[in-house]
Amino acid sequence: GAGVSQSPRYKVAKRGQDVALRCDPISGHVSLFWYQQALGQGPEFLTYFQNEAQLDKSGLPSDRFFAERPEGSVSTLKIQRTQQEDSAVYLCASSLAGLADKDTQYFGPGTRLTVL
Amino acid sequence: DQQVKQNSPSLSVQEGRISILNCDYTNSMFDYFLWYKKYPAEGPTFLISISSIKDKNEDGRFTVFLNKSAKHLSLHIVPSQPGDSAVYFCAASALHGGATNKLIFGTGTLLAVQP
Repeated sequence: GAGVSQSPRYKVAKRGQDVALRCDPISGHVSLFWYQQALGQGPEFLTYFQNEAQLDKSGLPSDRFFAERPEGSVSTLKIQRTQQEDSAVYLCASSLAGLADKDTQYFGPGTRLTVL
Repeated sequence: DQQVKQNSPSLSVQEGRISILNCDYTNSMFDYFLWYKKYPAEGPTFLISISSIKDKNEDGRFTVFLNKSAKHLSLHIVPSQPGDSAVYFCAASALHGGATNKLIFGTGTLLAVQP
């Protein structure tokens, strides 16, 4: 596809369950970002990949959050033992350039996670 | 600590008039600024950006102004159209010393353009 895609679009989990959220970036994009958007707030940075290397995970809120991009394209954000405060929209963005360049980030539609 | 602030949660404008959305920032290291538009149930869509070496960038009906001394930027939409009704996010990044090009977002302004 032409844009960033994410799946599933909606996910309901019971507290304590593990979830996995998928992101397919724009083909050829070097950089991939995950953001978390709580209701009424702007997106907040979680983690950054340049190709398969996770160069920044400073925004991950706890060690229950884990992200990977093993082949430098598709990425998965995993949340273990979900808590109610994890309920949010999780956005993935990709950009063509690597770390040192200013570049536009293109966002996917997001996955809305609701933890009951 | 909110590094990017959009102090107006909402704005209502008549069709055909100018919409002005404002954004303030506190981090003087920010050197790249972007505006995104977001419709419900969709991801943010890139609108326009500006580098800190410029004070104005224009793209069709959209113009972004940057005042570095005041740490303030604004987005002007002229003329406003009903299809412009959406939440607008201001975002900033700092590229120095190999820092990640992560975006710091404001809380958004809901623009309603009345026909």
